[in-house]
Amino acid sequence: AQTVTQSQPEMSVQEAETVTLSCTYDTSESNYYLFWYKQPPSRQMILVIRQEAYKQQNATENRFSVNFQKAAKSFSLKISDSQLGDTAMYFCAFYNQGGKLIFGQGTELSVKP
Amino acid sequence: KAGVTQTPRYLIKTRGQQVTLSCSPISGHRSVSWYQQTPGQGLQFLFEYFSETQRNKGNFPGRFSGRQFSNSRSEMNVSTLELGDSALYLCASSAPRLGAAETQYFGPGTRLLVL
Repeated sequence: AQTVTQSQPEMSVQEAETVTLSCTYDTSESNYYLFWYKQPPSRQMILVIRQEAYKQQNATENRFSVNFQKAAKSFSLKISDSQLGDTAMYFCAFYNQGGKLIFGQGTELSVKP
Repeated sequence: KAGVTQTPRYLIKTRGQQVTLSCSPISGHRSVSWYQQTPGQGLQFLFEYFSETQRNKGNFPGRFSGRQFSNSRSEMNVSTLELGDSALYLCASSAPRLGAAETQYFGPGTRLLVL
């Protein structure tokens, strides 16, 4: 069975600085997809970034980028130029098939002014 | 396009009652997945429907059931409610393609409180 682990329950960062959130996963599959979602206090789950396992190039979306290490089964999220609106719970998620996302326990990120 | 909508947003029930939650996917999306979010267990997959058929199911008791209509709208039902069913219930829609995963887009959730 696939598992997703986020080892940092809480993190904080100063506004305008860079922070990296860690995620590791376990799977025997070779074809899968990885996601980062954010959940602000409103509880609305918002897609941050997506990575296809077959792609070697790391995904980037504006200030958000990932470091995908397939052999190490690691999928970290880097947030550059952190903004107050980035304060949220961040979830790493694994997708293989059947409409099922497997989520990590989440990292609560606080951006301080 | 309008996003995923869920109704109701908040619900209070008592133990033993049943509840039905509704989810309307993004227009054109035929897959709807349901998740339960609690502080203790985190986000757990309930089931997924595609073209009115349940394709996948998580490890939840039979009290949790769902269905999907021809317009892709989905409902989730929980019978004989227990205190532990108090949670945020999220639905997500996607437009699956053969051999690829389409991103799941989430609704705002229904917060259920069982007293």
